[in-house]
Amino acid sequence: DTAVSQTPKYLVTQMGNDKSIKCEQNLGHDTMYWYKQDSKKFLKIMFSYNNKELIINETVPNRFSPKSPDKAHLNLHINSLELGDSAVYFCASSQASGTATGELFFGEGSRLTVL
Amino acid sequence: QKEVEQNSGPLSVPEGAIASLNCTYSDRGSQSFFWYRQYSGKSPELIMFIYSNGDKEDGRFTAQLNKASQYVSLLIRDSQPSDSATYLCAVNYIPTFGRGTSLIVHP
Repeated sequence: DTAVSQTPKYLVTQMGNDKSIKCEQNLGHDTMYWYKQDSKKFLKIMFSYNNKELIINETVPNRFSPKSPDKAHLNLHINSLELGDSAVYFCASSQASGTATGELFFGEGSRLTVL
Repeated sequence: QKEVEQNSGPLSVPEGAIASLNCTYSDRGSQSFFWYRQYSGKSPELIMFIYSNGDKEDGRFTAQLNKASQYVSLLIRDSQPSDSATYLCAVNYIPTFGRGTSLIVHP
């Protein structure tokens, strides 16, 4: 039973299109994240949600809009896709309570290719 | 801007040797430090976390933290070819990652 699952695993699309990536975690964690990993493997945080509330919004174009309908789900919608959006997007979750280690549990990643 | 710096490598070591991976960070108030391993085409997975100055050992892995020098390292003893991966240093409870060090262990 997958702990953090993302769909789809692969997206290939044209510039200017809109796409969404869905993420669900069954670990009961309070906090979920979206990270972007570029071609040089740099893993950069985009957003973080705690109990459905946005707590981190790094310098990300407003074409990227996260949505958290409940604390087990964090979806990412991207409008007007650009070539530079091509990357692997990782969803992750962690437990924010005091005794937790802070370990991130990652999904398998969604590889987005913009043509 | 909070930064985490790692040498991108690749770091190449022979099988059985000790691999030493280093990381520095800019935020002096950082409290939690993590090492993740990422195999090619896979997602990162946690190897070690450390909160206090000094060494923390888990099997073949030892994490070392020096907050005064803002430095954290990972030692891998008796390196195996299966250890070949990218090692990511992460700092803080909502982690900022370094760019990762590629480790190659050759037979």
